[in-house]
Amino acid sequence: AQKITQTQPGMFVQEKEAVTLDCTYDTSDPSYGLFWYKQPSSGEMIFLIYQGSYDQQNATEGRYSLNFQKARKSANLVISASQLGDSAMYFCAMREVYNNNDMRFGAGTRLTVKP
Amino acid sequence: DTAVSQTPKYLVTQMGNDKSIKCEQNLGHDTMYWYKQDSKKFLKIMFSYNNKELIINETVPNRFSPKSPDKAHLNLHINSLELGDSAVYFCASSFSDGNTGELFFGEGSRLTVL
Repeated sequence: AQKITQTQPGMFVQEKEAVTLDCTYDTSDPSYGLFWYKQPSSGEMIFLIYQGSYDQQNATEGRYSLNFQKARKSANLVISASQLGDSAMYFCAMREVYNNNDMRFGAGTRLTVKP
Repeated sequence: DTAVSQTPKYLVTQMGNDKSIKCEQNLGHDTMYWYKQDSKKFLKIMFSYNNKELIINETVPNRFSPKSPDKAHLNLHINSLELGDSAVYFCASSFSDGNTGELFFGEGSRLTVL
């Protein structure tokens, strides 16, 4: 069974600074995708960034980048120049292609951006 | 023009009642999911359907019965509701080809069992 681990229940960051949210995963599936989602207090799930298991380069989307270290099975999210609106829950997720596209989520990290 | 829509958004009901949540997506996706988010924000997969076929069925009480009349709809019926069923239920959809498709989520349905 796949497993996603987010070891930081809560994180604080000063506005305009960068922050890294940790995520490690465990799978035997050779083809998988790694995703990060943001859930603000309003409750909706917002897709942020995706990394494929065969991608050679780290994914970037605006202020978000995914630090993918395949050998270590880690997929950390880096948010640069934090903004107050970044305060939210952040979930790491993994999708296994050969396991019926099963998509599982980590426990989440609550990020608080301080002014 | 909501991509994944769930109804109702809020349900408040008594223990022992039966309730249903409906989900529809207009994205042309072939795979749909139900997730349960508990009070600690943990997201747990419940079911997944691909082209109306059940492909993921987690260890969920059989009081929960999903139904997919077509690939654009996935409904969740819950019998004999219990206090522990109180949660936010999210519907999601995606394409099944490869690992690249992110899940698109509905806004969630908050179920409160009294």
